Amino acid sequence: NAGVTQTPKFQVLKTGQSMTLQCAQDMNHNSMYWYRQDPGMGLRLIYYSASEGTTDKGEVPNGYNVSRLNKREFSLRLESAAPSQTSVYFCASSWTSGSYNEQFFGPGTRLTVL
Amino acid sequence: AQSVTQLGSHVSVSEGALVLLRCNYSSSVPPYLFWYVQYPNQGLQLLLKYTSAATLVKGINGFEAEFKKSETSFHLTKPSAHMSDAAEYFCAVSSSGGSYIPTFGRGTSLIVHP
Repeated sequence: NAGVTQTPKFQVLKTGQSMTLQCAQDMNHNSMYWYRQDPGMGLRLIYYSASEGTTDKGEVPNGYNVSRLNKREFSLRLESAAPSQTSVYFCASSWTSGSYNEQFFGPGTRLTVL
Repeated sequence: AQSVTQLGSHVSVSEGALVLLRCNYSSSVPPYLFWYVQYPNQGLQLLLKYTSAATLVKGINGFEAEFKKSETSFHLTKPSAHMSDAAEYFCAVSSSGGSYIPTFGRGTSLIVHP
């Protein structure tokens, strides 16, 4: 099993450009998440999807959109990138049962917006 | 509501010394608690978890943590630090008192000196 995979690993954008970060999991998990990690800020939830066909905003959704394409794939789109979106982005997935939520993380995408 | 506090953004130890990383949680109902480790330029991986089966939990790489309800703590320890333990450590809580989405602490960077 590959677990959670993310593409690309690195990306440099100019302000105003758009891009889509891809995430896929092969563990048959129902829930998927997008986080950003910034120095001193820990992990901040951008969007999540509790099941195929549903998405919800997290703590910092502004400037992002998501698509839960199917059970395996969950993409994050930046429509008009800004320097404040320079960060490391992590996708995660989990099989949620009640309130138990052990997450599995991808390797991350390191994004720089100039 | 649920929250996590990790005391100390950086902890520095000598190789062979005791490692103690502190985590305090707030939850109105019995929680599930997790410690994740993030090695440089990698995603997070689960180190250990508390699911109410036992208060002393053993994880990978010689780490363990003890759930203390009276102190609302879940501190991470390792008797003897190794250079390879240098990483970022995150404590997380999920409970039915919040949404099922885990709440993460801001992380503690463990520095190991030779």
